[in-house]
Amino acid sequence: AQSVAQPEDQVNVAEGNPLTVKCTYSVSGNPYLFWYVQYPNRGLQFLLKYITGDNLVKGSYGFEAEFNKSQTSFHLKKPSALVSDSALYFCAVRDINTGKLIFGQGTTLQVKP
Amino acid sequence: SAVISQKPSRDICQRGTSLTIQCQVDSQVTMMFWYRQQPGQSLTLIATANQGSEATYESGFVIDKFPISRPNLTFSTLTVSNMSPEDSSIYLCSVGTSGRYYEQYFGPGTRLTVT
Repeated sequence: AQSVAQPEDQVNVAEGNPLTVKCTYSVSGNPYLFWYVQYPNRGLQFLLKYITGDNLVKGSYGFEAEFNKSQTSFHLKKPSALVSDSALYFCAVRDINTGKLIFGQGTTLQVKP
Repeated sequence: SAVISQKPSRDICQRGTSLTIQCQVDSQVTMMFWYRQQPGQSLTLIATANQGSEATYESGFVIDKFPISRPNLTFSTLTVSNMSPEDSSIYLCSVGTSGRYYEQYFGPGTRLTVT
């Protein structure tokens, strides 16, 4: 079965520092991976996706994600965090058999001034 | 990307009543999905509502409790029937872009509280 795991419930970083939000996956076949962000009282916003090709994927709001096949990881990164990046982040994988998105449990990112 | 709106944005309902949530998209889409996000939890797929076919429900969700309509390519409704406090959640509409490697976009959600 396809699955994703986000091992950290919360990540705290200082503004201006680099941030990483971790995600690992388990799939059969090629993974189709996604990152979404949810701001308070808002729906999910698409950040980026990995289908194939370059292992470093660039997305919205300065975020990028690094796909690592050997470590089955797809960590979300940003070189310099902003307070406005504080939100709930979800990693997701598309189940190739059903086409459905399977979400991780989410990681709350807190960026402090 | 698609712009998705939902109505109502939030509601407080009494036990035993029903609420219909509307989802409007600014472009024609084939794939539409309804999710539930319980407090502090991740997203759970309720059903897939592709235009021209009956909605397909996930395990644990039934049509009598969550009837869905999909009358055209830009609109869908989800009804939460005979509500109980356990139905208190955020309900999100989502659409899929076209193509094999499609992306999914989400509406702002409807925050439902059942008392």
